[in-house]
Amino acid sequence: AQSVTQLDSHVSVSEGTPVLLRCNYSSSYSPSLFWYVQHPNKGLQLLLKYTSAATLVKGINGFEAEFKKSETSFHLTKPSAHMSDAAEYFCVVSDPGRDDKIIFGKGTRLHILP
Amino acid sequence: ETGVTQSPTHLIKTRGQQVTLRCSSQSGHNTVSWYQQALGQGPQFIFQYYREEENGRGNFPPRFSGLQFPNYSSELNVNALELDDSALYLCASSLDRPTSYNEQFFGPGTRLTVL
Repeated sequence: AQSVTQLDSHVSVSEGTPVLLRCNYSSSYSPSLFWYVQHPNKGLQLLLKYTSAATLVKGINGFEAEFKKSETSFHLTKPSAHMSDAAEYFCVVSDPGRDDKIIFGKGTRLHILP
Repeated sequence: ETGVTQSPTHLIKTRGQQVTLRCSSQSGHNTVSWYQQALGQGPQFIFQYYREEENGRGNFPPRFSGLQFPNYSSELNVNALELDDSALYLCASSLDRPTSYNEQFFGPGTRLTVL
């Protein structure tokens, strides 16, 4: 069965420093992987997605993620944090071979310190 | 192009009551998915409608039901409300089934509180 684990429930970084949000997945097939961001009182927004093309995926707002099959990981990174990055981030796995059932991780709250 | 909208924004009900939540899809989208997001948790898939028919369901009891209308707007109905139904309910629309190639666009959600 597919599953996704976000290894940190909260991450705090200083403005201007790198961001790393960790995600591990479990899947019987070749999964599709996504990162979504949720700002307070706003809908979930897609940051980026991996769909078996390039393993390094670039998304919006300077975020990127690398698919590592050997480590079953899909960590989200950004070189320099901005105050506006403070939000909840969700890693999502979808198995195309299993009716595209979509599983969300529990989320990581990113705090940006001034 | 308007985005996904949901109504109402907030709702308070008591145990045993019934509730209907509404969602208007993004223009041109024919697939709607509903999610329940409990406090401090990630969204959990309830069900999906594609061209007015249920097209997949998560681990939710039958008292969670839905409809999709010819204009592709949708309703989520919950009967016999329980305290644990308190959550943010999210609607997402997509052009065709939300495979890896079809992005889902989420609404802001309806916050349901059951007392």
